[in-house]
Amino acid sequence: KNEVEQSPQNLTAQEGEFITINCSYSVGISALHWLQQHPGGGIVSLFMLSSGKKKHGRLIATINIQEKHSSLHITASHPRDSAVYICAVIVASGGGADGLTFGKGTHLIIQP
Amino acid sequence: NAGVMQNPRHLVRRRGQEARLRCSPMKGHSHVYWYRQLPEEGLKFMVYLQKENIIDESGMPKERFSAEFPKEGPSILRIQQVVRGDSAAYFCASSHSGTYNEQFFGPGTRLTVL
Repeated sequence: KNEVEQSPQNLTAQEGEFITINCSYSVGISALHWLQQHPGGGIVSLFMLSSGKKKHGRLIATINIQEKHSSLHITASHPRDSAVYICAVIVASGGGADGLTFGKGTHLIIQP
Repeated sequence: NAGVMQNPRHLVRRRGQEARLRCSPMKGHSHVYWYRQLPEEGLKFMVYLQKENIIDESGMPKERFSAEFPKEGPSILRIQQVVRGDSAAYFCASSHSGTYNEQFFGPGTRLTVL
């Protein structure tokens, strides 16, 4: 079982819909990243959070440390939001490698 | 204000050759991470370096792979005697100070081994 699980694996929605992508993890963490990987392959860091909620434009990320769960929401989705969204965690000190541990990603397609 | 730079963006090598991948971190960042994304797979951590030090190489294959981050110049990921299974996208990320800081990713180097 992966330490970081994302759902859904694939998501197709219509432009304007509210999107939710979920991430659950099974290890103690120091922080969690949400990343966006474009069709061309580049990776952009969207959020890093260790508690509560962060908002940037139409993107909102939340985390519940007790439940070991995070969500990424996209409001008023647009075709340019089509990408792979990746959840990645920093395992708490002593728990693993010093780099990020990644989920397999959620492939999001927003149709016009 | 340049971001993380990687070169080359695409690299083609024949089996048995050496591949050298370069990463220049963001200005002011002294921590570098290398990750590998195999075709149709997720990203995997390889190695974490600070200037002149390897901090964690637990994700690096034991043979043929090495990494360095010298006092001057970019970080280098070196793959000796490449095999077809090394074909992947290799991403570098940098942070200002340590693993608890946000990491910023480079555009990646796509290695193809013929």
